[in-house]
Amino acid sequence: AQSVAQPEDQVNVAEGNPLTVKCTYSVSGNPYLFWYVQYPNRGLQFLLKYITGDNLVKGSYGFEAEFNKSQTSFHLKKPSALVSDSALYFCAVSNYGGATNKLIFGTGTLLAVQP
Amino acid sequence: DTAVSQTPKYLVTQMGNDKSIKCEQNLGHDTMYWYKQDSKKFLKIMFSYNNKELIINETVPNRFSPKSPDKAHLNLHINSLELGDSAVYFCASRQSTLSGNTIYFGEGSWLTVV
Repeated sequence: AQSVAQPEDQVNVAEGNPLTVKCTYSVSGNPYLFWYVQYPNRGLQFLLKYITGDNLVKGSYGFEAEFNKSQTSFHLKKPSALVSDSALYFCAVSNYGGATNKLIFGTGTLLAVQP
Repeated sequence: DTAVSQTPKYLVTQMGNDKSIKCEQNLGHDTMYWYKQDSKKFLKIMFSYNNKELIINETVPNRFSPKSPDKAHLNLHINSLELGDSAVYFCASRQSTLSGNTIYFGEGSWLTVV
């Protein structure tokens, strides 16, 4: 069975500093990995995904994530944090299966960027 | 243009009532989902439909009944509402023809049962 772990409930970072939000996964076979962001009282917005190819994936709002197969990790990164990046971030893994495809989410990490 | 739209956004209702949440997507996708986010922000899939056919039913109480009149719409009807049904319900959609295709979410429906 697929699963995702986000070990940090909250990450605090000062504006302008680099940020990392951690995610590890457990899947059988090759993983499809996703990051979503949820702003207060809003829906889930897709940030980026890894399907295959280059291990460094670039996404929306200057975010990127690095797929590391040996460490089964897919950490989200940004070189310089903004106060407006403060939100809840979810890592997710997708199973195979065409019509039976579904996302399995981690527990979320609250990112707080201080001015 | 809103890709996945759901109504209402906020709903406050009493225990025992029956309520519905509607969802529409204009992305031309063939698969739609309902996810539930509880008070601890955990997200869990409830149902998925592919071309109006129920594909995933994740041991949700039968008080919850999804209906898909066509592949662009997936509604959620909840009978005899309980306090524990208070949550945020997210509709989502995806094109199933490629395994890595992105699932896109609506803005959520905040249900409070009092």
